[in-house]
Amino acid sequence: SQTIHQWPATLVQPVGSPLSLECTVEGTSNPNLYWYRQAAGRGLQLLFYSVGIGQISSEVPQNLSASRPQDRQFILSSKKLLLSDSGFYLCAWSVLIGTGYREQYFGPGTRLTVT
Amino acid sequence: SQQGEEDPQALSIQEGENATMNCSYKTSINNLQWYRQNSGRGLVHLILIRSNEREKHSGRLRVTLDTSKKSSSLLITASRAADTASYFCATDGPGGSYIPTFGRGTSLIVHP
Repeated sequence: SQTIHQWPATLVQPVGSPLSLECTVEGTSNPNLYWYRQAAGRGLQLLFYSVGIGQISSEVPQNLSASRPQDRQFILSSKKLLLSDSGFYLCAWSVLIGTGYREQYFGPGTRLTVT
Repeated sequence: SQQGEEDPQALSIQEGENATMNCSYKTSINNLQWYRQNSGRGLVHLILIRSNEREKHSGRLRVTLDTSKKSSSLLITASRAADTASYFCATDGPGGSYIPTFGRGTSLIVHP
């Protein structure tokens, strides 16, 4: 079965510090990968998605970046965190289950607090 | 990308009652998915309904889809306290990369 890992589970970082969140998927090949951010009591905001190694699409211009160095690894980074970067970060992957149909699955999330 | 919007934003019921949540979207879809999120946790996939389906069941969950009204509903029957969570719908249109977008969700509280 497929599994998605995210770490760390929680993170407290000062403003201006760098960020690196990692997501890995097991049990599947060539998944679509996604990074979302969820502010408290809000919906999910799509940040980045990737359909393959080195292929990253950004949905929201900001001080975050994403990379996909391996097929099942997705990394979210920042050179200098802002207070507004605080939130719950979720990694997700999707699998093709039929012609044109995909199901999406989420990791456990990382709670980031920028102080 | 498409967007699902859930309604109501909050729902409070007693254990044993049924809970109904609605989702509306704007343009044609390929499929629609419902998710549950417990506080501070990731989203859990509940059910996928395809655009050519009208109703789907999974345990105590019943999902309907009305493409003419561009809406879907999630019914949880005989609710339990453990059903307390936020529920989200996500849609995507036909063709292209699957890039679902989510609404703010419905916050369901089931009182024991």
